[in-house]
Amino acid sequence: ILNVEQSPQSLHVQEGDSTNFTCSFPSSNFYALHWYRWETAKSPEALFVMTLNGDEKKKGRISATLNTKEGYSYLYIKGSQPEDSATYLCAFFFGNEKLTFGTGTRLTIIP
Amino acid sequence: ETGVTQSPTHLIKTRGQQVTLRCSSQSGHNTVSWYQQALGQGPQFIFQYYREEENGRGNFPPRFSGLQFPNYSSELNVNALELDDSALYLCASSYGQGSSYEQYFGPGTRLTVT
Repeated sequence: ILNVEQSPQSLHVQEGDSTNFTCSFPSSNFYALHWYRWETAKSPEALFVMTLNGDEKKKGRISATLNTKEGYSYLYIKGSQPEDSATYLCAFFFGNEKLTFGTGTRLTIIP
Repeated sequence: ETGVTQSPTHLIKTRGQQVTLRCSSQSGHNTVSWYQQALGQGPQFIFQYYREEENGRGNFPPRFSGLQFPNYSSELNVNALELDDSALYLCASSYGQGSSYEQYFGPGTRLTVT
């Protein structure tokens, strides 16, 4: 069974603090890793698509790294703001066009 | 640019009935994927359509079927509904079928089976 695991399941962070969380995936047959942000009552929104070992991507205060050899990706948020409160999902792309999601990290920013 | 839309927003059905959910893809996208999200889980891949052909399927029984139309909009049909089919159904469109294409999600259809 090939699983995508995210940790922690939930996280409370003080406004202004930085935080990070982890996505673990099988280290063989890597195609791509996706990160999505899902705010309550909205649609999931793509943050990053990462395809190469060592990839580092950044969008504003959010960045992500990828290690395909050991099977993990980190998502970092610098200087958390209330609008960062959301569930962050990673998804590993297996063959046969199948995107497999983790259960997400639910982030709450405390003002 | 119009985003991905889904209809209906909410739906209540009885066990054994059939349901059709609809998705309009974002302009310029030729690929649509469907996902089921049950409570406490991440979205589970149902299947993907690329240029009107099924192009990959997850671990869902044949009573889950779909269509993609020439305008790339799509339908998800579920026959013989079971209680466990109660979930949020998401569709997502993308510019292509490969792993490097980010997916643009709709707001979902909440299906309740009683």
